[in-house]
Amino acid sequence: DSGVTQTPKHLITATGQRVTLRCSPRSGDLSVYWYQQSLDQGLQFLIQYYNGEERAKGNILERFSAQQFPDLHSELNLSSLELGDSALYFCASSAFSGPSYEQYFGPGTRLTVT
Amino acid sequence: AQTVTQSQPEMSVQEAETVTLSCTYDTSESDYYLFWYKQPPSRQMILVIRQEAYKQQNATENRFSVNFQKAAKSFSLKISDSQLGDAAMYFCAYRSDGNTGNQFYFGTGTSLTVIP
Repeated sequence: DSGVTQTPKHLITATGQRVTLRCSPRSGDLSVYWYQQSLDQGLQFLIQYYNGEERAKGNILERFSAQQFPDLHSELNLSSLELGDSALYFCASSAFSGPSYEQYFGPGTRLTVT
Repeated sequence: AQTVTQSQPEMSVQEAETVTLSCTYDTSESDYYLFWYKQPPSRQMILVIRQEAYKQQNATENRFSVNFQKAAKSFSLKISDSQLGDAAMYFCAYRSDGNTGNQFYFGTGTSLTVIP
């Protein structure tokens, strides 16, 4: 158990819908990362937040957005969902922002778009 | 953009033997970090080992070690005395430490099978 929690574990929704994935980092960790793992594209870094502010942005679509709240939990919002958005979405947290700090991954949220 | 290449989609090793997983990357940066992550069937991502580019000494963690060749941009993972629990997907990853905003780049993974 990494100490990072993600809800829900599974999510099934239809095309065109909007969903919100939630992540609670390890106690004391200030940085949160979001990743997408799909079958055909491997693991993709989406976005990083540090202490409530966006720190780095990767291959995140404009239909997706994220935020980190004052209590440090984070949400990833996916809108206008398409079949290709079906994937495993991971959240990870680290104590601070730099790459020398180990990232701890949550168990992931499995999103299925039908 | 940085790229990470894992040229071996699948590998197998006999239990107790040694296996090496390959990874190459492309970058113009001088400061960066390299990682190997393990993803067992549970899908949990687990950090196996980390290497700082400025360190010449290869990182080791128990039965896991790397062969880091900075000039060749190569970062292979050696697993010694392979165990059944080592069976998993292994991902090589690159993380910058500079102006590109600390982005992560992952390879496509190598699926390791351990044969009893």
